[in-house]
Amino acid sequence: EVQLVQSGAEVRKPGESLKISCKTSGYSFTGYWIGWVRQMPGKGLEWMGIIYPGDSDTRYSPSFQGQVTISADKSTSTAYLQWSSLKASDTAMYYCARRGFGARTFFFDFWGQGTLVTVSS
Amino acid sequence: QSALTQPASVSGSPGQSITISCTGTSSDVGYYNYDSWYQQHPGKAPKLIIYDVSRRPSGVSNRFSGSKSGNTASLTISGLQAEDEADYYCNSYTTSRTWVFGGGTKLTVL
Repeated sequence: EVQLVQSGAEVRKPGESLKISCKTSGYSFTGYWIGWVRQMPGKGLEWMGIIYPGDSDTRYSPSFQGQVTISADKSTSTAYLQWSSLKASDTAMYYCARRGFGARTFFFDFWGQGTLVTVSS
Repeated sequence: QSALTQPASVSGSPGQSITISCTGTSSDVGYYNYDSWYQQHPGKAPKLIIYDVSRRPSGVSNRFSGSKSGNTASLTISGLQAEDEADYYCNSYTTSRTWVFGGGTKLTVL
């Protein structure tokens, strides 16, 4: 059974760093892209970026380039999203999602349960 | 890279059909046939309901269908049921090799 299990809710102060995780199981981690999606309170979904764990090829939305870092650890089948200096505007729910298999698939078929990040002084 | 344009809300009575539009540009919706749709109930993660414009994943009701014309993709839900009340998001792959979501549409079943 494919599963994406995200780390728990986090509360941080502005300027602090943070790394949240998305632990996968039930499939070959290195063979599928993993994306990250932001949902600010009461707002819509925003595509942030994606990583291919097989070779760490990573792409970012222009809106998030330089603001976050996406990484993956093949040894633990886990993808990460990190910030070096959080802002209050980073307060949101963050989802990881698996891209379907193959070069001609452009949808996200399995999703994590979400990680709520709250940034407040 | 701007979000795709969706109506903020739509509504319909049980048994009726509704259609949600998703307008992009010739660099995303209009370029590829890779549009997908996601359903999100309050407090839940999104769920894939349509991919590649009109294909349904296994287990998704055939009351959900997708189509496209030019730069506009559409999701139609027929035979509306109370459980269909949710937020719906379109998503498209772009010529920049990134993805973009629509702003989301809240469906109310009257």
